[in-house]
Amino acid sequence: NAGVMQNPRHLVRRRGQEARLRCSPMKGHSHVYWYRQLPEEGLKFMVYLQKENIIDESGMPKERFSAEFPKEGPSILRIQQVVRGDSAAYFCASSPVGGEDEQYFGPGTRLTVT
Amino acid sequence: GENVEQHPSTLSVQEGDSAVIKCTYSDSASNYFPWYKQELGKRPQLIIDIRSNVGEKKDQRIAVTLNKTAKHFSLHITETQPEDSAVYFCAAGVTASNTGKLIFGQGTTLQVKP
Repeated sequence: NAGVMQNPRHLVRRRGQEARLRCSPMKGHSHVYWYRQLPEEGLKFMVYLQKENIIDESGMPKERFSAEFPKEGPSILRIQQVVRGDSAAYFCASSPVGGEDEQYFGPGTRLTVT
Repeated sequence: GENVEQHPSTLSVQEGDSAVIKCTYSDSASNYFPWYKQELGKRPQLIIDIRSNVGEKKDQRIAVTLNKTAKHFSLHITETQPEDSAVYFCAAGVTASNTGKLIFGQGTTLQVKP
């Protein structure tokens, strides 16, 4: 059973470009969470999604950030017009039942904005 | 707002000694408390968790205790080994249908000296 998959593992973008991060949950999991980790800091919750629904986006910045989890395909975290402060590791996690079970993390996408 | 404080930020022990990491949380509705281990450049891995209806849980060399009245929970690692060296994160969450977010502590870097 494959774990949570994320791609790309490393992403370099220039300021002003768009970044698209993908997350495929574990088989049988239909709940996805995105977290951001700045260097030498803990993980900060961004958004919680189920298929075709955003359940909790209380941690998402108001501008430039969006997330989706379509009926088919991976969950996508999209950052428009990236700035240097967006440089971080972005982890997604999945669980089989939202909010009631363990969250299993993917390997992360390390975004560098130059 | 929701907050989890974790101490110490760094911990160095000799192989075979015990290590204790402590966390406090602010949201009294929190009822799920996982601990994650993160090696350098790797994904956070769930090592143990505890729910609010239990005061203590043990898994081989790892144990977690919870004091809901004081809003404290702790991780105890006995007979530490060099491979226990990593960053450890505590987290607190509310298991409910409309939220699954985890609030993470700032992390503890554990170094086990051979």
